Amino acid sequence: NAGVTQTPKFQVLKTGQSMTLQCAQDMNHNSMYWYRQDPGMGLRLIYYSASEGTTDKGEVPNGYNVSRLNKREFSLRLESAAPSQTSVYFCASSVEERGTDTQYFGPGTRLTVL
Amino acid sequence: AQSVAQPEDQVNVAEGNPLTVKCTYSVSGNPYLFWYVQYPNRGLQFLLKYITGDNLVKGSYGFEAEFNKSQTSFHLKKPSALVSDSALYFCAVRDNNNDMRFGAGTRLTVKP
Repeated sequence: NAGVTQTPKFQVLKTGQSMTLQCAQDMNHNSMYWYRQDPGMGLRLIYYSASEGTTDKGEVPNGYNVSRLNKREFSLRLESAAPSQTSVYFCASSVEERGTDTQYFGPGTRLTVL
Repeated sequence: AQSVAQPEDQVNVAEGNPLTVKCTYSVSGNPYLFWYVQYPNRGLQFLLKYITGDNLVKGSYGFEAEFNKSQTSFHLKKPSALVSDSALYFCAVRDNNNDMRFGAGTRLTVKP
């Protein structure tokens, strides 16, 4: 199992450009998540998907859109990138274990918006 | 909404000494509590979680965490620290909904 994979690993954008971050998991998990990690702020949830075909906003959804393409894939799109979106983005998927979901994370995408 | 506080940005310990990384939480209802570790340029790795039952939870790499309901704390501990334990540690809390909140993280440095 590759677990949770993310592409690209690094990306530099200019303000106003768009891009899509890709995430895939091969663990047959139902739930998937997108987080951003900023220094001193921990991880903040952008969007999550409890199952194929459903998505919900998290703590900081503004400026982002998501697509749950199928059970394996959950993409995050920035339509018009802003410098405030410079961050490290993590995708995660989760499985219910012993009564609650446990999340497993991808390696991250480091995004810089100039 | 639930929240987590990690009061220490940085914890320094000598190799072989016990370590504690502190976490306090706020949640309505029963808490589901987690610890994750992040090594440089890597994603977060699950260490352990508390759902219910024994207050002392054992996890990966010799780590354990103690749940204290009266103090709303879930401190991470290890009896004997290794240099390889140096990393960023995150505490997280989840309520009955599918929404998990993470602390700001604590950087653990274990010196030889």
